[in-house]
Amino acid sequence: QKEVEQDPGPLSVPEGAIVSLNCTYSNSAFQYFMWYRQYSRKGPELLMYTYSSGNKEDGRFTAQVDKSSKYISLFIRDSQPSDSATYLCAMSAGNYGQNFVFGPGTRLSVLP
Amino acid sequence: DSGVTQTPKHLITATGQRVTLRCSPRSGDLSVYWYQQSLDQGLQFLIHYYNGEERAKGNILERFSAQQFPDLHSELNLSSLELGDSALYFCASSVRDGRADTQYFGPGTRLTVL
Repeated sequence: QKEVEQDPGPLSVPEGAIVSLNCTYSNSAFQYFMWYRQYSRKGPELLMYTYSSGNKEDGRFTAQVDKSSKYISLFIRDSQPSDSATYLCAMSAGNYGQNFVFGPGTRLSVLP
Repeated sequence: DSGVTQTPKHLITATGQRVTLRCSPRSGDLSVYWYQQSLDQGLQFLIHYYNGEERAKGNILERFSAQQFPDLHSELNLSSLELGDSALYFCASSVRDGRADTQYFGPGTRLTVL
């Protein structure tokens, strides 16, 4: 089992739809959770950063963490064609020497 | 623009050759991470430096090496290149030693090995 698994996609939705992107993980030591957006052939861009369980909202984006289920989600409301990208989840235990583990990514297409 | 710069943007070389990729972190960031991204492997962590010292190694081949210089820029050296080394190489930087810090990624270097 991979340390971090992500809904494989690709995912196509109409403009205005609510999008749900999900990751599961196996390492219960993970405490810090991030979502990155990566446009084709560009560097990943940090979207959301959360610590421990709960929800965090930023504009049209909501990150949700359920540590008991080892499950994180990113919701995008009122999706736009400009949201079309690959979304990567990442997580870290936060300990010295520990590094980030990234999910394989989900490619999202928002159709106008 | 994340503030992280990488050069060159593209690199085309032949098998068996050696190349050097360069990364300049954001101003004030002490940590530099290197990642490899290929189509079938996703984003793979290679190595992490903090203020000139190696902090952690990931899936980095012995043919690859890196260092971080006193001015905090970093170089990733890839030698005896193979076709399978063709990938996007990203560096990222953060302020601290990576414990709970967010990372800012550069635009990447696209390496093609022919």
